[in-house]
Amino acid sequence: EIVLTQSPTTIAASPGEKVTITCRASSSVSYMYWYQQKPGASPKPWIYDTSKLASGVPNRFSGSGSGTSYSLTINTMETEDAATYYCQQWSSTLTFGSGTKLEIK
Amino acid sequence: QIQLVQSGPELKKPGESVKISCKASGYTFTDYAMHWVKQAPGKGLKWMGWINTYTGKPTYADDFKGRFVFSLEASASTANLQISNLKNEDTATYFCARVRGRSFFDYWGQGVMVTVSS
Repeated sequence: EIVLTQSPTTIAASPGEKVTITCRASSSVSYMYWYQQKPGASPKPWIYDTSKLASGVPNRFSGSGSGTSYSLTINTMETEDAATYYCQQWSSTLTFGSGTKLEIK
Repeated sequence: QIQLVQSGPELKKPGESVKISCKASGYTFTDYAMHWVKQAPGKGLKWMGWINTYTGKPTYADDFKGRFVFSLEASASTANLQISNLKNEDTATYFCARVRGRSFFDYWGQGVMVTVSS
């Protein structure tokens, strides 16, 4: 099973700040997927096929990476971006990262 | 519009069983696989497995083999998750989610909170 390790676990950012969340895989994967989840809500599709934004996702978000290292970047943090972000892959079996909680500073 | 609507919250005792449903609408049910994801209180997402909505064949993640059963009522565009012999550690929110493309969950149900307590 491929283990996804997200860092940091928690991060606080000020509005306007650039934020990067990293997801490292224990073995190489072809694509990475990202979800945003706010308290009491279902996860929302956020980024697919490593770098494509899901419908409705603001273009201040971007995704990149390859092999074992992937990232989600927010170019300029906004208050509405405060949430937990999960990465996900499906190689031999499907796994999620443990999540990164993004807070407003 | 595409929706996955799940059944309501459940309160069960250890040893009992529970069946939760996920009704799809707005698309052809048998065109997309349905997955199940567990989220324990305050914890992250854990993939449980999936069911081929065309053939009805289920696939279970290792941690969910034995007490967990995925099933379909295809005529009603509904996927079901049954958990038997409930344990305290089954207390969680269970989501159904539709997969698009390689493995992207593009639609999620609202989640069902299952509480197991004596």
